[in-house]
Amino acid sequence: EVQLVQSGAEVKKPGESLKISCKGSGYSFPTYWIAWVRQMPGKGLEWMGIIYPGDSDTRYSPSFQGQVTISADKSISTAYLQWRSLKASDTAIYYCARRGGQGYMDVWGKGTTVTVSS
Amino acid sequence: EIVLTQSPGTLSLSPGERATLSCRASQSVSSTYLAWYQQKPGQAPRLLIYAASSRATGIPDRFSGSGSGTDFTLTISRLEPEDFAVYYCQQYGSSLWTFGQGTKVEIK
Repeated sequence: EVQLVQSGAEVKKPGESLKISCKGSGYSFPTYWIAWVRQMPGKGLEWMGIIYPGDSDTRYSPSFQGQVTISADKSISTAYLQWRSLKASDTAIYYCARRGGQGYMDVWGKGTTVTVSS
Repeated sequence: EIVLTQSPGTLSLSPGERATLSCRASQSVSSTYLAWYQQKPGQAPRLLIYAASSRATGIPDRFSGSGSGTDFTLTISRLEPEDFAVYYCQQYGSSLWTFGQGTKVEIK
């Protein structure tokens, strides 16, 4: 079964760092792009960026460029989303999703809830 | 950036009725690069339609997509109880992928 398993919920304070993960299984992880999508409380979906685990080629939405870092370790089939200094406005659910075919997202993780509060 | 505008914001319908959801793009999108997703409360989004009109694996045929250029439509022919959810369109034709703001289909 093709699946993406995301790391568990996090509660952090403003200014702290964080790295969440997304582990793929059931398919050739290095050969499919992995996207990250943010959903703030009660809001819609926002595409953050995407990485190709095979060579770590990464693209960011301008809205998130410089705010987060996307990385991957193909040896353990895992993609990451990282913050150096969290803000309260980073409170959201973060989904990873596999890019299938021409670019639609065909497999989604269950999401990681990140809560940033003092 | 291609902006996708979905309408209506909320659609109130009864089971068995037909739902028609619209997604309008600020500039032309190749139909190859337009997808629809369903999201239920507390769940991750699920791919319904890709390339504007192709159903994803396991998606019932009551879901259909159509359109080209700047106007795209998702149609649910007869609403089942499990279809009440939020629906998002997404374009992946440019280097910056974008989503519409969503249409909520609620029980009338």
